[in-house]
Amino acid sequence: AQTVTQSQPEMSVQEAETVTLSCTYDTSESDYYLFWYKQPPSRQMILVIRQEAYKQQNATENRFSVNFQKAAKSFSLKISDSQLGDAAMYFCASSGAGSYQLTFGKGTKLSVIP
Amino acid sequence: GAGVSQSPRYKVAKRGQDVALRCDPISGHVSLFWYQQALGQGPEFLTYFQNEAQLDKSGLPSDRFFAERPEGSVSTLKIQRTQQEDSAVYLCASSLYADSYGYTFGSGTRLTVV
Repeated sequence: AQTVTQSQPEMSVQEAETVTLSCTYDTSESDYYLFWYKQPPSRQMILVIRQEAYKQQNATENRFSVNFQKAAKSFSLKISDSQLGDAAMYFCASSGAGSYQLTFGKGTKLSVIP
Repeated sequence: GAGVSQSPRYKVAKRGQDVALRCDPISGHVSLFWYQQALGQGPEFLTYFQNEAQLDKSGLPSDRFFAERPEGSVSTLKIQRTQQEDSAVYLCASSLYADSYGYTFGSGTRLTVV
């Protein structure tokens, strides 16, 4: 069984600044994946970044990076140089490696202030 | 097609009415998933298809929910005798693989039951 907790319902950031979104998880799987998805008003879930739990190195995708603390079961997303287009709902999700089912948190609404 | 296509984009149904929601996955994607996203929540798994076989329907909330994918491409999620608690966004995703690693989501259908 997997649970994902996002404790920040809303966050805001000034354009060009950096923001960190928090996520904690719990899992009984020995190997698993962690994801951050972005959901703009168009409703499509867009993959931002993913992390294989067996990899110690934190994943990075351009302005997006994660801080993966396996022992603490923490998986935060850092957005650098925030842009207006980053404004959206952000969902943290987990899955057992080889499993097809994603478990999502409740999301964090990110606002970007011009 | 280039992405996962869902129709209709919006559906308003009177309580007790039957509805059918369509998902057209990316060509060649063998795996197809349906998720339900209630207002203010993260998506929750409903069901999984591998080609035309429905391998997991454990997330369907009641026997009023039925999904099919008869030819291994287009899928339909049917909800009979809709209730107000069925109001949600229904998201479809497809993947080339049989795990969570390579999901592509559609933009969903927002169902409102009045």
